[in-house]
Parts: sequence; C-alpha cells; structure tokens
Amino acid sequence: AQSVTQLDSQVPVFEEAPVELRCNYSSSVSVYLFWYVQYPNQGLQLLLKYLSGSTLVKGINGFEAEFNKSQTSFHLRKPSVHISDTAEYFCAVSDRGDMRFGAGTRLTVKP
Amino acid sequence: ETGVTQSPTHLIKTRGQQVTLRCSSQSGHNTVSWYQQALGQGPQFIFQYYREEENGRGNFPPRFSGLQFPNYSSELNVNALELDDSALYLCASSLGGTGGYEQYFGPGTRLTVT
Repeated sequence: AQSVTQLDSQVPVFEEAPVELRCNYSSSVSVYLFWYVQYPNQGLQLLLKYLSGSTLVKGINGFEAEFNKSQTSFHLRKPSVHISDTAEYFCAVSDRGDMRFGAGTRLTVKP
Repeated sequence: ETGVTQSPTHLIKTRGQQVTLRCSSQSGHNTVSWYQQALGQGPQFIFQYYREEENGRGNFPPRFSGLQFPNYSSELNVNALELDDSALYLCASSLGGTGGYEQYFGPGTRLTVT
C-alpha cells in the first residue's frame, strides 16, 4: 500500500531565505508524486508533479522538487521565499487512481 | 474554461441526518474523486468515479456513497451522520482514472455535524 510521510508539521522561515519541505513515500510499485499547496479556505492547487524522466521537477511560483528513488523521497525546495508563500503544503503519491496525501507542512514566512 | 465547482460551500447538519454534496467537474474531465479533509490533516481518499462507474474506494464505510452523472458531475451522499464526519469535503476532477493524471480540486464544502 502506498503512503506518504511529511517529516515536518511546521516550518517557520524568514522572507528571502531558502526552504526545503521534506516528503518520504512508500509504495510497492512505480509511483507518481505530487506537491499541492492550500491557502486558507481554499482547495488544493498543484505546484508540481513527477511522472517519469528527469528527477528534478520545476513547478509554479519558483518551487522545484527532486525525486530520489533510492531514498524514496520527493523534497520540495525554493531558493528564496516570499510572504505570499505562507500556506499549507501537501505531498501526495498515486500509483493508480487514488491519491494518498501526507498530513501537510505549514510553511510560515516571516518578514 | 470553467474549473471545478462544489455546492454548497457550508453546511450544518445534526447527527443521524443525511447529506448530499455536489460537484461539477472541469470541462472535458471524465473522472471525479472525493476526499475528506479533517481539520489539521491531509485529504483522505473516499472514492473515485470514472465514466459513471466507481473506480476505487478508500477506507470509508458504506454510508458514504456516490454517483456520477452522464455529464460527469458527481454527488457524495453520507447517511447517518456522525460528529466525526465534520470536515472539508473536496472534489477533484481529472482526464482519466489512473494515477498519472493531474487532479483539479474544487474549493470544498465545509460540513459541520452537531
């Protein structure tokens, strides 16, 4: 069965600093990996996805993630965060139609 | 292009009642998935419908049921509501029922059970 572990429930960071949100997954088959962002009182918006090919995936808003099969990780990174990046971030894995989400990481960007 | 819409936005029900939530998928999408997101948690997969047939189900009891219509819109029905059913219910549509398709989420319906 597939599952996702987000290693940090909260990540506080100062504006313009780099950030990494960690995600580990488990699955018995090849997987598709996703990062979503959720702003308060809104649905989820896709940041980026890994389906196959290059292990470095670039997404919207300057985010990128690297798929590491040997470490079963898909960490999300941004070199310089903005106040507007404050939100909840979810890592998700899918090997069929159902998508399994992690518990989320609350990113708070401070001025 | 119209995105995924859900109705109602908020709903308050009493324990034991029944509720129906509705979702209109994005234009051209034939697959709808439903998720339950409890406060402070990640979304949990309830079930998926692909071309009007159930295409997978998560660990939810049978009192959670659904429908998909020929226009690919969908309903989520919950019978015998319990307090723990209070959550944000998210609908997502996609072009297909397998894992590689991006899911587009609606804004959700906030259900409160008292």
